[in-house]
This record gives sequence, C-alpha cells and structure tokens, in this order.
Amino acid sequence: AQSVTQLDSQVPVFEEAPVELRCNYSSSVSVYLFWYVQYPNQGLQLLLKYLSGSTLVKGINGFEAEFNKSQTSFHLRKPSVHISDTAEYFCAVSDSGGSNYKLTFGKGTLLTVNP
Amino acid sequence: GAGVSQTPSNKVTEKGKYVELRCDPISGHTALYWYRQSLGQGPEFLIYFQGTGAADDSGLPNDRFFAVRPEGSVSTLKIQRTERGDSAVYLCASSPRAREEQYFGPGTRLTVT
Repeated sequence: AQSVTQLDSQVPVFEEAPVELRCNYSSSVSVYLFWYVQYPNQGLQLLLKYLSGSTLVKGINGFEAEFNKSQTSFHLRKPSVHISDTAEYFCAVSDSGGSNYKLTFGKGTLLTVNP
Repeated sequence: GAGVSQTPSNKVTEKGKYVELRCDPISGHTALYWYRQSLGQGPEFLIYFQGTGAADDSGLPNDRFFAVRPEGSVSTLKIQRTERGDSAVYLCASSPRAREEQYFGPGTRLTVT
C-alpha cells in the first residue's frame, strides 16, 4: 500500500513569486507519481506525471516537479505564479505494477495567489 | 469535446434513504473509476470498471455501496441506507483504456441529513 503526505495544507504567495508545494510518499514498491489541480467547481486536472526516465518532469501551465527517490519526494514548483494559479493541488501515487490504475491522493494544498 | 459529466451536482437526502449517483464518461473510454472525497481529505479510490465488469471494488467501504456499468458506458453508484458519514463529494473518472490517464468529472456533492 502507498501513502502520500502533503506537508502544507495552505500556501499563500504573492503574484509573480516562486512557489514550491511539497509532497512525500511512502511505498514498498516502485511507484508512479502525479500532481493534479482542482479549480473551484471543476474536476481534477492532471498537471504532470512521473512514470520513469528523467526525474525532472515538466507539466502544463509552467509547473514542474522533481522525483527524488532517496527522499521519497515529488515537490511541485513554479518560478512565477499568477492569480489564475489559485486552486487546490493534489499529489497522488500509484504502484507501477498491475494496480497502477488505483491512485492514492494526499490531502491537498490550497495555493492562494494574492495581488 | 465533452468531458466526464456527473449528475446530480448536488444531492441532499435523509439518513436511511437510498441514492443513485450517475457518471457519463468520455465517449469511447473503456475504463471508469469512482472516488470519494470527504471534507478536508484527498479523493479515495472506490471501484474500477474495465468495460462492463468491476475489475477492482476493493475500495467500497461496505455492502451498502454498489456500482454498475451495464453497457460499458454510463455508470451508477448506488448507496443504500445512507448514513451521515456517507456525506462527501463522489468523483468519477474515465480513461481511454485501463491504466491510462484518468479524466475526472466535477463530482456529486452528497449530503446526508
């Protein structure tokens, strides 16, 4: 079984500032890692994913994340945020084997971008 | 194109009543998933369909919960004898084939009074 810890429930930042949303996971097997964004009254949207290969993953809307196996982390970063990035962000993990359809989510981080 | 749709968007019911929540996946998607998101929590896996069959229902919390997908498209999540603890947002997702990217609907917010 896997678990995900998102270390910050809320992150307030000013527009054009950099941001990092932290995610740590626990698993006894190899994993796939994901970041989803949820805007108000909308479904979860995939930002980026790590399946294999390069540990630095680039996603939509200028976001990127780095897989660190030794620290079991998959932190999400953006060098300069916009007001429109205000949303809830979820880190998720699945095993890389037969049950890789089953996503385990963290509790989410609410990113609020202020002018 | 049209995304995953879920109806109703909100459902209020009394404790002990029966409810049905509907999910219309993206056309052509063979895999369908249900998750439950309680207040302050991330989504939790409930069940996964490949075609018409439930390939993994290990996340259903108890036998009051049941889901069907009779024609391999629309799915219905059914909850019998609802309890206040069932209050949550129920999310549906679909993917083109098993184990591919999941596309989520906006969810149904269920409130049991």
